Amino acid sequence: GAVVSQHPSRVICKSGTSVKIECRSLDFQATTMFWYRQFPKKSLMLMATSNEGSKATYEQGVEKDKFLINHASLTLSTLTVTSAHPEDSSFYICSAALAGARIYEQFFGPGTRLTVL
Amino acid sequence: GIQVEQSPPDLILQEGANSTLRCNFSDSVNNLQWFHQNPWGQLINLFYIPSGTKQNGRLSATTVATERYSLLYISSSQTTDSGVYFCAVERGGYNKLIFGAGTRLAVHP
Repeated sequence: GAVVSQHPSRVICKSGTSVKIECRSLDFQATTMFWYRQFPKKSLMLMATSNEGSKATYEQGVEKDKFLINHASLTLSTLTVTSAHPEDSSFYICSAALAGARIYEQFFGPGTRLTVL
Repeated sequence: GIQVEQSPPDLILQEGANSTLRCNFSDSVNNLQWFHQNPWGQLINLFYIPSGTKQNGRLSATTVATERYSLLYISSSQTTDSGVYFCAVERGGYNKLIFGAGTRLAVHP
């Protein structure tokens, strides 16, 4: 149980285009999902917290107009990188929180490797 | 904000050896998770362990919340254990995981 999927796993795009990444919780409902960015050989950096039915909360330094997040249902959150540039190339990972009594555990998707040419 | 420090940063083992990875955190936490990131980038949940001790096969973990550290034990290591091990903590009310820098483990046959 607690499986999270991401699509696509890999995407290459031209500079100036927009890219949408989907994150789905397959076997549980997630009121909260998270988006992270990871640079090579570095740790995960939280970009934003996505709550179903409300606006995302962005971490300091993350441009909300650049990284659009939508959490339209309890099983789907999307991250759109708008007008992508080479510096946006990175590994993007989502997670979904499985919440219960005294438990709040995050499960991670397999990640999306974005390359902007 | 809360600081999470992992040690050692890099570890090389011969297959069959045992190891201990450490995670120190600077403030009280509600949640602590250990992950293994495989070579393809997938984070695999190892333990949800805000306190106490848990075991799962060759892996076990102990968190001493009052002293603000957690340990991950790997026994009889295998080449498939290679990858990066992350510790991440969550403070109450924020529901956000703060990651350590990770321990990069290489197990050689």
